Amino acid sequence: AQTVTQSQPEMSVQEAETVTLSCTYDTSESDYYLFWYKQPPSRQMILVIRQEAYKQQNATENRFSVNFQKAAKSFSLKISDSQLGDAAMYFCAYRSANGGSEKLVFGKGMKLTVNP
Amino acid sequence: GAGVSQSPSNKVTEKGKDVELRCDPISGHTALYWYRQRLGQGLEFLIYFQGNSAPDKSGLPSDRFSAERTGESVSTLTIQRTQQEDSAVYLCASKTYLGETQYFGPGTRLLVL
Repeated sequence: AQTVTQSQPEMSVQEAETVTLSCTYDTSESDYYLFWYKQPPSRQMILVIRQEAYKQQNATENRFSVNFQKAAKSFSLKISDSQLGDAAMYFCAYRSANGGSEKLVFGKGMKLTVNP
Repeated sequence: GAGVSQSPSNKVTEKGKDVELRCDPISGHTALYWYRQRLGQGLEFLIYFQGNSAPDKSGLPSDRFSAERTGESVSTLTIQRTQQEDSAVYLCASKTYLGETQYFGPGTRLLVL
């Protein structure tokens, strides 16, 4: 079974600074997807960024980018120019690409605080 | 277009009562998922529906939990004889058949007293 680990329960960053959130996972599969979701106090899970395992190039979405290290099974999220609205819980998630239910396997999450 | 909607937003019930939670997926999304999020935890998969195929119920924690889906529309998650450990946020997500991304609803916060 696949597992996702987020070892840092909380982090804080100053507004306009850069912060990196770490995530590791365990799988025997070679084809899969990785996601970062953001969950503000409203509870709505919002997709931040997605990475396909077969792609070597790291995904980027505006101020958000990932460092995907397939051999190390590491998938960190970098937030540049942090904004107050980035404060939320962040969840790393894994999904198999080998068919089946394609359920997401989540880490326990990390609370990000952005200080003005 | 409208996103995934869930009702009720919050539900308080007494131990032993049955509850029904509702999810309206995005129109055209054939896949629908239910997840449970206990306080301070990540999401746990409960059940998956894809069109008219048999659902994947492998995540349901006990036979007190069941879910139904009518075609490719609304789904209801039923918890019978609720226990205090059932207190959690129940989130629903949907996606297209070949889509890579699940879109989540705002969840239902269930409190069992």
